[in-house]
Amino acid sequence: DADVTQTPRNRITKTGKRIMLECSQTKGHDRMYWYRQDPGLGLRLIYYSFDVKDINKGEISDGYSVSRQAQAKFSLSLESAIPNQTALYFCATSPGGTSSEQYFGPGTRLTVT
Amino acid sequence: GQSLEQPSEVTAVEGAIVQINCTYQTSGFYGLSWYQQHDGGAPTFLSYNGLDGLEETGRFSSFLSRSDSYGYLLLQELQMKDSASYFCAVRDRVGGYQKVTFGTGTKLQVIP
Repeated sequence: DADVTQTPRNRITKTGKRIMLECSQTKGHDRMYWYRQDPGLGLRLIYYSFDVKDINKGEISDGYSVSRQAQAKFSLSLESAIPNQTALYFCATSPGGTSSEQYFGPGTRLTVT
Repeated sequence: GQSLEQPSEVTAVEGAIVQINCTYQTSGFYGLSWYQQHDGGAPTFLSYNGLDGLEETGRFSSFLSRSDSYGYLLLQELQMKDSASYFCAVRDRVGGYQKVTFGTGTKLQVIP
């Protein structure tokens, strides 16, 4: 079984709709992250959480919100989706401390029409 | 602020050696990581350099010079399966938190 899972894997939605992307991990890591990837722009950090009570904005948080329901679960919401939020979204985890290795989920391809 | 620069594309021949460079600007620098991503896949961790010098893992090596704000990933004995995008990522401290910022990636094409 995959250590980091994301649901859904693909989603097409309309402008103005609310959508939630979910991430679950079995690695026991405290730290979780949400990134979006656009062609030519690499991975950009949306939000990150270092434990259940600690949530921080990344470089492109506008238009997004998150919820850390438990150590293992970190959800990303688009309150009112717009076409320029069409992208590939990745959840990642890391053990924290001195480790820099991040473990990525398989990604969610979101299309907003 | 933070910035990372790496070439957008590199082409190399199967069996050869290729070097992918990364320069960065940041404060509170801790180290430089490298990730590989195949088309349609998730990024996977390759290596991390926290200190100056060379780290070797099989066919892949990574180098860091903190004084030059520079690092590189070296891939030896290239195989067709090495065709992928490679991202450098800086681990630093911003606003009291350690976090990782990714470069825009280098697309490596290995040709026969």
